[in-house]
Amino acid sequence: NAGVTQTPKFQVLKTGQSMTLQCAQDMNHEYMSWYRQDPGMGLRLIHYSVGAGITDQGEVPNGYNVSRSTTEDFPLRLLSAAPSQTSVYFCASSYSTSSGGYEQYFGPGTRLTVT
Amino acid sequence: GNSVTQMEGPVTLSEEAFLTINCTYTATGYPSLFWYVQYPGEGLQLLLKATKADDKGSNKGFEATYRKETTSFHLEKGSVQVSDSAVYFCALSVTTDSWGKLQFGAGTQVVVTP
Repeated sequence: NAGVTQTPKFQVLKTGQSMTLQCAQDMNHEYMSWYRQDPGMGLRLIHYSVGAGITDQGEVPNGYNVSRSTTEDFPLRLLSAAPSQTSVYFCASSYSTSSGGYEQYFGPGTRLTVT
Repeated sequence: GNSVTQMEGPVTLSEEAFLTINCTYTATGYPSLFWYVQYPGEGLQLLLKATKADDKGSNKGFEATYRKETTSFHLEKGSVQVSDSAVYFCALSVTTDSWGKLQFGAGTQVVVTP
């Protein structure tokens, strides 16, 4: 299993440009999510999905769109990049364990710089 | 709301020293508690977890005990190595979130010198 994969690893955008961060998982996990990591703030939830065709907003959704057409893929779209979106972005997938809890697996991250 | 507070870093230690990273939480419901580790240039990896009060999670020489009375989940390791240099995140999830949404602390950078 490749686990959770993200592309690209690095990206530089100019203000106002749009782009899509790709995320895929091959573990057949039902749940997927996007976080951003900023210094001193830990990881904050952007959007999440509890299954194909179902998405919802997290803590910091403004400026981002998501869709989930398949179980495997969960792309994150930046509509009009702003310097405040300079961050490291992590995709995660999760599943329900036999003990009733959940376990999340993270991708390697995409480092985005907006100038 | 739910929140996690962990000690600020960086924490700088010599090899073979004892490491403690404090983590406290506030939560509604019955949280599960986690420690994640992020090595330089990599994503987050689950280090250990505990799902109910008094549980002890352990992995790779690290331990943390779920203390409901003090709402804490402090991470400890008796003898650190240079390879333990990383950022450590404390996190929680509550059963009322149907997919295990994680609430993270700010992270603590640990630097171990030879």
